[in-house]
Amino acid sequence: DVKVTQSSRYLVKRTGEKVFLECVQDMDHENMFWYRQDPGLGLRLIYFSYDVKMKEKGDIPEGYSVSREKKERFSLILESASTNQTSMYLCASSLTSGRSGYNEQFFGPGTRLTVL
Amino acid sequence: LAKTTQPISMDSYEGQEVNITCSHNNIATNDYITWYQQFPSQGPRFIIQGYKTKVTNEVASLFIPADRKSSTLSLPRVSLSDTAVYYCLVAPTGGGGNKLTFGTGTQLKVEL
Repeated sequence: DVKVTQSSRYLVKRTGEKVFLECVQDMDHENMFWYRQDPGLGLRLIYFSYDVKMKEKGDIPEGYSVSREKKERFSLILESASTNQTSMYLCASSLTSGRSGYNEQFFGPGTRLTVL
Repeated sequence: LAKTTQPISMDSYEGQEVNITCSHNNIATNDYITWYQQFPSQGPRFIIQGYKTKVTNEVASLFIPADRKSSTLSLPRVSLSDTAVYYCLVAPTGGGGNKLTFGTGTQLKVEL
């Protein structure tokens, strides 16, 4: 069974802290994504990676960076956490080849981050 | 970018058919349309995907008109367990992974 795991379900951090959110997939997928989900705003793409060490900005990259050193792992980094980054963060992965492309994404359970 | 628009919420009763429509006026030629279901405290889960006309699987049907500017997810005979948020996604099949766009989601509530 396909699996995307995220390092924490709940996380509480203080303003100004550096925060790492980790995501691991076991499906050998090329693509990995980080989204944030807020009430009334749906899912918004933060960053996307289509290969090791490759990344592209999504709709809302400001205040975030990412790292993909290995194919199965995609990390989201908040360099200096702020209260407006309190949100649910969702990681996903997908294949590149075939008709599905980016459409059939497999999501992790999410990390609810609270920044105080 | 293909911006998508969905109703914020819908209510239904068990056994009824539910149709949720997503508007995507700026859809590109190589974009596909996908629908996801999300329960509380879980990540979204793939339901169905299509390019044009009609697609059906064991849980839903997807209707896409010829101009592809909208799509309709049809859930036959819903049950209480179908209460969830439903998202449409417009995304290319290759390249431009940073151009995919989720809708804001439709909260479906099914009652007895």
